[in-house]
Amino acid sequence: GQQVMQIPQYQHVQEGEDFTTYCNSSTTLSNIQWYKQRPGGHPVFLIQLVKSGEVKKQKRLTFQFGEAKKNSSLHITATQTTDVGTYFCVVRRGSNYKLTFGKGTLLTVNP
Amino acid sequence: DAGVIQSPRHEVTEMGQEVTLRCKPISGHNSLFWYRQTMMRGLELLIYFNNNVPIDDSGMPEDRFSAKMPNASFSTLKIQPSEPRDSAVYFCASSLEQGASQPQHFGDGTRLSIL
Repeated sequence: GQQVMQIPQYQHVQEGEDFTTYCNSSTTLSNIQWYKQRPGGHPVFLIQLVKSGEVKKQKRLTFQFGEAKKNSSLHITATQTTDVGTYFCVVRRGSNYKLTFGKGTLLTVNP
Repeated sequence: DAGVIQSPRHEVTEMGQEVTLRCKPISGHNSLFWYRQTMMRGLELLIYFNNNVPIDDSGMPEDRFSAKMPNASFSTLKIQPSEPRDSAVYFCASSLEQGASQPQHFGDGTRLSIL
């Protein structure tokens, strides 16, 4: 079964507030990818993290990969209504091709 | 550029009927994935093809499910006979190469309802 925990499951914020979702694994990861799925839509690739301690930014989104490569976070600064959707972390272990999706964090934003 | 194309977008059928879902991956992509998404179980990988060859079908629920990829530009997922518990959104995704370092590009999905 899945060995990646994503928290929280749901998050409701007021527009302008910050938001963070976390992805935790019990084992070391080769890399981690983040996807966003809008309501009624399909998952869309956001970013991939590979290196220990890596930090990447995309406008208001900041992605981090833990030093031990067992956890990751996605932080959104000053949320907007366009940020609504489910954010998934997707992990890969070792040389296994197989990607495992977390359960996702559903973000809703009150305008 | 055309993305991953899935058909039909919606399918409603009675239990016991055969259901065939279709997928055209992005041209040049040699890895293709079939996923199923439900509220209860989230997004589950059903089967993965590389260069048209099924690599891992351990996620396929049972013998009622089968998938084929006769060529690089077409894949099908078939359910026969269908059951109400098969109701879900089925996504097809493709990526550039074998392995998990490339992003997966998803189609719009097929929303399947089995009555």
